[in-house]
Amino acid sequence: DAGVIQSPRHEVTEMGQEVTLRCKPISGHDYLFWYRQTMMRGLELLIYFNNNVPIDDSGMPEDRFSAKMPNASFSTLKIQPSEPRDSAVYFCASTPGQRSGETQYFGPGTRLLVL
Amino acid sequence: AQSVTQLDSQVPVFEEAPVELRCNYSSSVSVYLFWYVQYPNQGLQLLLKYLSGSTLVKGINGFEAEFNKSQTSFHLRKPSVHISDTAEYFCAVTRMDSSYKLIFGSGTRLLVRP
Repeated sequence: DAGVIQSPRHEVTEMGQEVTLRCKPISGHDYLFWYRQTMMRGLELLIYFNNNVPIDDSGMPEDRFSAKMPNASFSTLKIQPSEPRDSAVYFCASTPGQRSGETQYFGPGTRLLVL
Repeated sequence: AQSVTQLDSQVPVFEEAPVELRCNYSSSVSVYLFWYVQYPNQGLQLLLKYLSGSTLVKGINGFEAEFNKSQTSFHLRKPSVHISDTAEYFCAVTRMDSSYKLIFGSGTRLLVRP
């Protein structure tokens, strides 16, 4: 299996622009997670999905952030409009979801820089 | 709510020396415990986890951790480190009641010197 795939790996954009991050989970995994990693706040869970349905979005910072999972093999995290404080590494992770305590498998991350 | 504390932000150690990375957690409910490793410019990878049973858990790359319920700790150890162990190590917890939310500590950077 190719593992969790994220694109792009790096993104540089200007303040005010729309940014879309993409994720393909491991085939057969029912849960998908979006995390953000910054020096100041560490690793934060933004949102997670079960069978394409958002379960908990309490970590989404504000209305500028939105996430969708139109099918089992694809998810997007969108920031509109982007701000310099959104600069971070964004990780996508997935897990089979048969029981709690399962391992989450992380993608390589998207490094976002908002100028 | 759950929280995880990793008191050491950085741990320098010489190659072939033993190392212990500390992790303490707080939770009003029972939790599962994890250690993840992040190599430079990569995603996180599971080292080991405690779900139940023996409190001494062995993971990949020679690492092990011991769950201590009375001290609410889950310290990570390796008897002899290699240069290649240089990375960021994260302790994390999740509730046992079918929650999938991982709560991470702030991470400890292990720096192995020759």
